[in-house]
Amino acid sequence: GQNIDQPTEMTATEGAIVQINCTYQTSGFNGLFWYQQHAGEAPTFLSYNVLDGLEEKGRFSSFLSRSKGYSYLLLKELQMKDSASYLCAVSDSNYQLIWGAGTKLIIKP
Amino acid sequence: IAGITQAPTSQILAAGRRMTLRCTQDMRHNAMYWYRQDLGLGLRLIHYSNTAGTTGKGEVPDGYSVSRANTDDFPLTLASAVPSQTSVYFCASSDSDTGNSPLHFGNGTRLTVT
Repeated sequence: GQNIDQPTEMTATEGAIVQINCTYQTSGFNGLFWYQQHAGEAPTFLSYNVLDGLEEKGRFSSFLSRSKGYSYLLLKELQMKDSASYLCAVSDSNYQLIWGAGTKLIIKP
Repeated sequence: IAGITQAPTSQILAAGRRMTLRCTQDMRHNAMYWYRQDLGLGLRLIHYSNTAGTTGKGEVPDGYSVSRANTDDFPLTLASAVPSQTSVYFCASSDSDTGNSPLHFGNGTRLTVT
């Protein structure tokens, strides 16, 4: 079956760096997405990786290794507003999105 | 403001009743989707539409139906609601059905079936 694994919850300190991991097993691969979802709100797009390597976008970076079925989202200079759930999703061979359950990130002062 | 509008925001519904969740987008996106989100689970696709006039079944289609009469609207109907359909429902759209375009989500409908 198809599976996306990410930690259920993580805690980090304001101003620090946190890495949220995502491992996947899917039938085919057509890209990996990261979304941010604040409590009670809709998910919003953060990043898309289809080739191996690191994509940097301001304080957020996303890394992909297709051979390892692995990605991470790196958040630098954490701010209180980064407290949210972070969703990993993979586009499979049929271009259907397979979603992880999300990682709830708690930022402490 | 361009985006996706869902209605209602929340609803309490008696089991056995019929309910239509509305979704409208003004971005002229071809592809539209309905997901449900439940605690501890990833988003699960209910139905999708790659273009006006066509629809397809997702991972959890049973008990739900959709229509896509035009580009903008993609309503989701629960013919006879059951308590297991209690969930948060998100409508989403993208400008491509090839799976490499990001999804734009509506603000969701929180549905409770009693």
